[in-house]
Amino acid sequence: EDQVTQSPEALRLQEGESSSLNCSYTVSGLRGLFWYRQDPGKGPEFLFTLYSAGEEKEKERLKATLTKKESFLHITAPKPEDSATYLCAVQGTGAQKLVFGQGTRLTINP
Amino acid sequence: DSGVTQTPKHLITATGQRVTLRCSPRSGDLSVYWYQQSLDQGLQFLIQYYNGEERAKGNILERFSAQQFPDLHSELNLSSLELGDSALYFCASSPRTTTYEQYFGPGTRLTVT
Repeated sequence: EDQVTQSPEALRLQEGESSSLNCSYTVSGLRGLFWYRQDPGKGPEFLFTLYSAGEEKEKERLKATLTKKESFLHITAPKPEDSATYLCAVQGTGAQKLVFGQGTRLTINP
Repeated sequence: DSGVTQTPKHLITATGQRVTLRCSPRSGDLSVYWYQQSLDQGLQFLIQYYNGEERAKGNILERFSAQQFPDLHSELNLSSLELGDSALYFCASSPRTTTYEQYFGPGTRLTVT
């Protein structure tokens, strides 16, 4: 069964303090790995899709990378508005559904 | 704004009742997915429809059912509600059934009392 584990569960940073969030996954053939941002009480907002090991994608202060076993979401010089829960999900070969991790709750203090 | 709309935003009902949640996908998207998010379970896939046909089922209870109509909007029906059904219910849409990112709606918060 496809599984996703995210760490840490929660992360508190100072504004400008760069860090990384981890997403470890097991899947029988990776069709895609997805990163979402979710604000409290809102729907997940799509950030990135990664398809193969070695792939990287960037958007503003965020960069997502992918290996065969894990993905990292690097956040550079974060701002308070980057505070949110970041969700990782995988879609396995032959599967229609996304399997989500529990998320990392990121708080950026000014 | 993802382009996916869901109604109602909030729903409060009693145990044993039945409710219907509605979702309109992004323009042009043929696939609709339903997810349940509770504090202890995270985001759980319930069911997927593609162009009116059921394509995949997840952890959906027998008390729950869904359908997608010819205009591609979808409804999730929840019956014989229990306290444990209280959660956020999200609809997502994507253009195809295979590897495409899913765009989520704002959700319906269901509270069962």
